[in-house]
Amino acid sequence: GDSVTQMEGPVTLSEEAFLTINCTYTATGYPSLFWYVQYPGEGLQLLLKATKADDKGSNKGFEATYRKETTSFHLEKGSVQVSDSAVYFCALTYNQGGKLIFGQGTELSVKP
Amino acid sequence: DADVTQTPRNRITKTGKRIMLECSQTKGHDRMYWYRQDPGLGLRLIYYSFDVKDINKGEISDGYSVSRQAQAKFSLSLESAIPNQTALYFCATSDPYRDAEFGANVLTFGAGSRLTVL
Repeated sequence: GDSVTQMEGPVTLSEEAFLTINCTYTATGYPSLFWYVQYPGEGLQLLLKATKADDKGSNKGFEATYRKETTSFHLEKGSVQVSDSAVYFCALTYNQGGKLIFGQGTELSVKP
Repeated sequence: DADVTQTPRNRITKTGKRIMLECSQTKGHDRMYWYRQDPGLGLRLIYYSFDVKDINKGEISDGYSVSRQAQAKFSLSLESAIPNQTALYFCATSDPYRDAEFGANVLTFGAGSRLTVL
C-alpha cells in the first residue's frame, strides 16, 4: 500500500542553520505531496504542496521538490528561526480524495 | 472564531465510558474527517464523510462511530472507551474544488481534542 516515511526526530538546530527534513514515499499512482506543520498546542496547517513531478512547492522560506525518480519530497530551509520550532508532517493524497496518508512527523527544535 | 472547532479540547475518562467528540466548521466544506495522532505514528484516518449522507471507514475505525448531523457538524463517538484509545484527535475539512490559497485537496484542521482513557 501507499506510505510515507520521514527521518526520525527530534532535529535540533541553531538559529540561522540550514534545515533538511527527509521524506520518501511509496505510491501506486501519481499522488500530490504535502508538507504540514503543527505548532505547539495547535492543529496541523498546510505549509506547501506539489502536485506533479519536478514541481517545487514553497512558502515562508521553506521549499520542497517533487522527485519522482527518487520518490522523495525533502523539506529545506536556508536559515531557520526559533519560530520554526514545530512538528513537520509529510503527506500524500490522490486527486479528489482528500484522504491524506501521513508520515510519522519530525520534530524540529531551533535554539537561539 | 476558528474555522474548525473541536469540543472538548481535553477530556479524561474511565475505561468503559461512552465519549463523544464534536466538530463544527464554518468553511462551508462538504468533506469532513476524523484523524487520531499518536507519537511516532503520525496521523491515521478513523472516518470520513464526503457529504451528509456519505460516511466511510478509514484505516482504524474499529471501536469508533461517527454521525454527520449537518454539513457543518461531524461527531466522533467511542461507545466503550479503552486505554489504547488515549490519543490526540483531529477533525479536518476539505473542499475538492475550491481553496482560495492553495487549491484543491487541502485539509483545514481543528486544534485537536486530547483524550485520556484511564
